[in-house]
Amino acid sequence: QSVLTQPPSVSAAPGQKVTISCSGSSSNIGNNYVSWYQQVPGTAPKLLIYESNKRPSGIPDRFSGSKSGTSATLGITGLQTGDEADYYCGAWDSTLSAVVFGGGTKLTVL
Amino acid sequence: QVQLVQSGTEVKKPGASVKVSCEASGYTFITYGITWVRQAPGQGLEWMGWISANTGNTKYAHKLQDRVTMTTDTFTSTAYMELRSLRSDDTAVYYCARDGPTLTRGWFDPWGQGTLVTVSS
Repeated sequence: QSVLTQPPSVSAAPGQKVTISCSGSSSNIGNNYVSWYQQVPGTAPKLLIYESNKRPSGIPDRFSGSKSGTSATLGITGLQTGDEADYYCGAWDSTLSAVVFGGGTKLTVL
Repeated sequence: QVQLVQSGTEVKKPGASVKVSCEASGYTFITYGITWVRQAPGQGLEWMGWISANTGNTKYAHKLQDRVTMTTDTFTSTAYMELRSLRSDDTAVYYCARDGPTLTRGWFDPWGQGTLVTVSS
């Protein structure tokens, strides 16, 4: 059971937009930054979003992050088949004194 | 470019220990920390702990704190993670990742390629 809650799967057609939610509490998302990672099966995770809404250099602006209260959202526009992957949210948890992750969301581009 | 390169696949028996290395290049090692994350087969990401490459200060996940030790060698820009008293549920891919110089930054970039540790009798 993950501390952060994500939907197990989402899907959309190429070119469309999809959002992935990440729900937590005041001890993590509510008072700390959120990060998002993309993991293609068999490879290491890759940072997509940090500090809730910032993109590292090299990450296209099709990827966006937002946070409101104790929830965060990853948005992906102009979906491509190469976006098929597992996506994880993460945040520092001030009560647990640990980084916590969501259980991951599998994105299928139909 | 910034890169983390990990040691190779390990197969261990229950009760043994494993030590995974993570060699950093392309940045000043002591100005960042290293976080370790593991992923059991078919499962999600689990944070194991963090070490400051500058001070050696550590913070371990509560469930692992009696069995894990994280260290760094600033001369070779290498981080190490040792896990003792291995059990079958420690079977996982172990990742190192560059973290901030302070504990609570909470985001990791880049990641090493991963090291598969299999625990089996």
